[in-house]
Amino acid sequence: QVQLVESGGGVVQPGRSLRLSCAASGFTFNSYGMHWVRQAPGKGLEWVAVIWYDGGNEIYADSVKGRFTISRDNSNNMLYLQLNSLRADDTAVYYCAKGGHPAYFDHWGQGTLVTVSS
Amino acid sequence: QSALTQPASVSGSPGQSITISCTGTSSDVGAYHYVSWYQQNPGKAPKLMIYDVSNRPSGVSNRFSGSKSGNTASLNISGLQAEDEADYYCSSYTNSGTLVFGGGTKVTVL
Repeated sequence: QVQLVESGGGVVQPGRSLRLSCAASGFTFNSYGMHWVRQAPGKGLEWVAVIWYDGGNEIYADSVKGRFTISRDNSNNMLYLQLNSLRADDTAVYYCAKGGHPAYFDHWGQGTLVTVSS
Repeated sequence: QSALTQPASVSGSPGQSITISCTGTSSDVGAYHYVSWYQQNPGKAPKLMIYDVSNRPSGVSNRFSGSKSGNTASLNISGLQAEDEADYYCSSYTNSGTLVFGGGTKVTVL
């Protein structure tokens, strides 16, 4: 069965960096696009970024463009999100999600909480 | 990348049917057949309920159905049950290659 397990969240000061990881199993990882979606406390879902199955393309939400970088390691079935220049409004639970073709999320991880605070 | 518009809350009695709307623009909902719906219970990850406007993943009850007309998509839940009480989000592909969610709808079973 598909499993997605995020890690790397924590408390970080504004302006600092953090890297999130997502370990994938139970499917052919290098055949699917992968996404990051976040949810601020008490708020709705916000799509963050997608990376194509082969890592050949990345697309970002305007709110994170230039600050966040999505990447993947198909040899080890890992997805990553590098978060730079963090701001208070980046505080959220970050979910990794397996992409359905072409534009939906058919499996989700349990999420990892990032708190940006001084 | 403005969020899609959903009603904040919808309620119904057990056994009734309810509909949640999701309104976008001609650049997202109206442009593609790529609307999906997610159910989220408190403290849990979202769960895919409908994809590509009207397709149900295996394991999702046939009480859930989706449709689209113009720039508005809809999720219908028939035979409402207590277990359907949750937050529901729509999502659409956009002509920028991004995805966008609705603000979410809280479904209450009276």
